[in-house]
Amino acid sequence: QVQLVQSGTEVKKPGASVKVSCKASGYTFTSYVIFWVRQAPGQRLEWMGWITADNGNTRYSQKFQGRATITRDTSASAAYMELSSLRSDDTAVYYCARERPGGGGALEYWGQGTLVTVSS
Amino acid sequence: QSALTQPASVSGSPGQSITISCTGTSSDVGAYNYVCWYQLQAGKAPKLMISDVSNRPSGVSNRFSGSKSGNTASLTISGLQAEDEADYFCSSYTSSNTYVFGTGTKVTVL
Repeated sequence: QVQLVQSGTEVKKPGASVKVSCKASGYTFTSYVIFWVRQAPGQRLEWMGWITADNGNTRYSQKFQGRATITRDTSASAAYMELSSLRSDDTAVYYCARERPGGGGALEYWGQGTLVTVSS
Repeated sequence: QSALTQPASVSGSPGQSITISCTGTSSDVGAYNYVCWYQLQAGKAPKLMISDVSNRPSGVSNRFSGSKSGNTASLTISGLQAEDEADYFCSSYTSSNTYVFGTGTKVTVL
């Protein structure tokens, strides 16, 4: 069955960077697009960006352009999201999710989420 | 990209029907049929409930249905059940080749 397993909780200081991993299994990794979405406490979901797993093409939300970097390792069937220059308002649960085959941003499988806390 | 607008909360009694609206613009909801709805329950990952405005993924109850008129999409939950209590978010593709989520709606079963 399709699974996306994310790395564990992170605690970072302001100004630091964090890299969250998302290991996929149960499907052909290079055939799908992986999205990254976050939810700050009590806030709405925020789309951060996506990566096409076969060719590594990326697209970012304007809000995260230049501060977020999404990569993938096809040999490991894993995607990564690195966020730099962390601020306290980056404290959130970060999710990876697989888009369904037809595209359109329909995220049919999700990772369990990774809590990133930014605090001095 | 501004968030799509949803009511903060909607409530109903068991068995009733409720509808959640999701208002965007002619550059997102009104322009494309790529509107999705997600259910978020505490401690769980989001769950896709509706894609492409009105398509229900396999395994999602037929009590959930979606529609769209102009710049506003809607999610209707029929025969409301206690297990439907959750936060619901809409999302849409945009003319900037990005996506945007709604502000979220808390559904309470009275």
